[in-house]
Amino acid sequence: EVQLVQSGAAVKKPGESLKISCKGSGYSFTTFYIGWVRQMPGKGLEWMGVIYPGGSDIRYSPSFQGQVTISAVKSISTAYLQWSSLRASDTAMYYCARLPGRDGRVLWADFWGQGTLVTVSS
Amino acid sequence: DIQMTQSPSTLSASVGDRVTITCRASQGISNYLAWYQQKPGKAPRLLIYATSTLQSGVPSRFRGGGSGTDFTLTISSLQPEDVATYYCQEYNSALGTFGPGTTVDIK
Repeated sequence: EVQLVQSGAAVKKPGESLKISCKGSGYSFTTFYIGWVRQMPGKGLEWMGVIYPGGSDIRYSPSFQGQVTISAVKSISTAYLQWSSLRASDTAMYYCARLPGRDGRVLWADFWGQGTLVTVSS
Repeated sequence: DIQMTQSPSTLSASVGDRVTITCRASQGISNYLAWYQQKPGKAPRLLIYATSTLQSGVPSRFRGGGSGTDFTLTISSLQPEDVATYYCQEYNSALGTFGPGTTVDIK
């Protein structure tokens, strides 16, 4: 059974750093992309970026380039999303998702993690 | 950048009604379109990919169609468990774009 299990909720102060995780199981971690999606309170879904753990492909949405870092450790089948300096506007639910890839194209998100709620408040 | 729009933004219908949601891309995306369902407080769930291919386990009352720039998601007979927000997403570009969502509830 394919599963993506995310780290627990985090409460942080502005300016603090944070790294959240997404552990994949039940499939070959290195043959699918992992993507990160932001959902601000009461709002829609936004792609932040994707990573291919089996290679060097990392893509960021222009809105998030330079604001976050996406990484992965394939030996433990885990992807990460990190911030070096959080803002109140980073308060949101963050989902990871698995995406097949084909011929350089990242396809649909077929499995999702349960979400990690990040709250940034002074 | 490809922009995605959906209509309507909200929809209220009776149990058993046929419901159709429209998704439009700002440029042609071939058949590179997926639909997701998100119930309140839950993660999104893939319903349809490649415009019309039903994901495993999704009820057959869900149907996707269209091509180019105009796409539809149809629920043939609305059920109480279909109350959710529905998002389309193109994956023609390097990092796909979601539509703004359509919220469906029961009248």
